[in-house]
Amino acid sequence: KAGVTQTPRYLIKTRGQQVTLSCSPISGHRSVSWYQQTPGQGLQFLFEYFSETQRNKGNFPGRFSGRQFSNSRSEMNVSTLELGDSALYLCASSLEMDTGELFFGEGSRLTVL
Amino acid sequence: AQSVTQLGSHVSVSEGALVLLRCNYSSSVPPYLFWYVQYPNQGLQLLLKYTSAATLVKGINGFEAEFKKSETSFHLTKPSAHMSDAAEYFCAVSDTGYSTLTFGKGTMLLVSP
Repeated sequence: KAGVTQTPRYLIKTRGQQVTLSCSPISGHRSVSWYQQTPGQGLQFLFEYFSETQRNKGNFPGRFSGRQFSNSRSEMNVSTLELGDSALYLCASSLEMDTGELFFGEGSRLTVL
Repeated sequence: AQSVTQLGSHVSVSEGALVLLRCNYSSSVPPYLFWYVQYPNQGLQLLLKYTSAATLVKGINGFEAEFKKSETSFHLTKPSAHMSDAAEYFCAVSDTGYSTLTFGKGTMLLVSP
C-alpha cells in the first residue's frame, strides 16, 4: 500500500514568488492535514481538509491557502513568499477525521532566498 | 488552549540503557495524546496514542507511555535502547479533533554504543 506522497521534495524560490505543494494521501483516506516544521517554531498546524471542506485552520496569514480535490488529493499554496517561509511542509492523511492516527509524508522542503 | 512541553531538547543514553523522554501537557478538556518519531529526512511515524482507555499505552518498537492525569504527564519509556532508536521524538496533544495536533518542540534521542 503506497504511503503519503508529497511533491516536490525540494524546491528553491525567491522572495515574492508563490509556490504550490501537492499531497496524495493513502488510498481510501479522506482527511488531509498540513503542518509546517521549522527549527525555531517546531511543528505548527496549517490546515485540515475532509471531503473537500476545510475543517480547521491554524494561525497562519492569508498567504497560506489550501484545497482538497474530490479524489482526496490536496494542494497548499503560499503566495508572496518571505524568507521565514523556508521550512519543511508535511502532509498527513487519516482514514477519518477522528481515527487518532496520522500518516505523514516525507515532506516538501522549501527554501526561500 | 492546549500546549505540550517536552523537557530536554536532547537526551543521550547508552545502548541497552533505559530511555525516558518527558512530556507534560496542558489541556482544558480530557486530551488525546500521541508520541511520534521522526527519522532523518523522513516524515513522522506514530509510536503510540492515548485515547482515554488504559493509562499505560504500548506502542511499536518496544516503547510505552503512561498517562498520569494528576501530573499532566505522558512520558515515553523503553527498557533497553537500541542504536536504531536514535531519532527525534515528538509528543502531541489534541482536544479539538485528532487531525489537529499541537506538538511539543521535540527531543532528539542520541544512542551511543
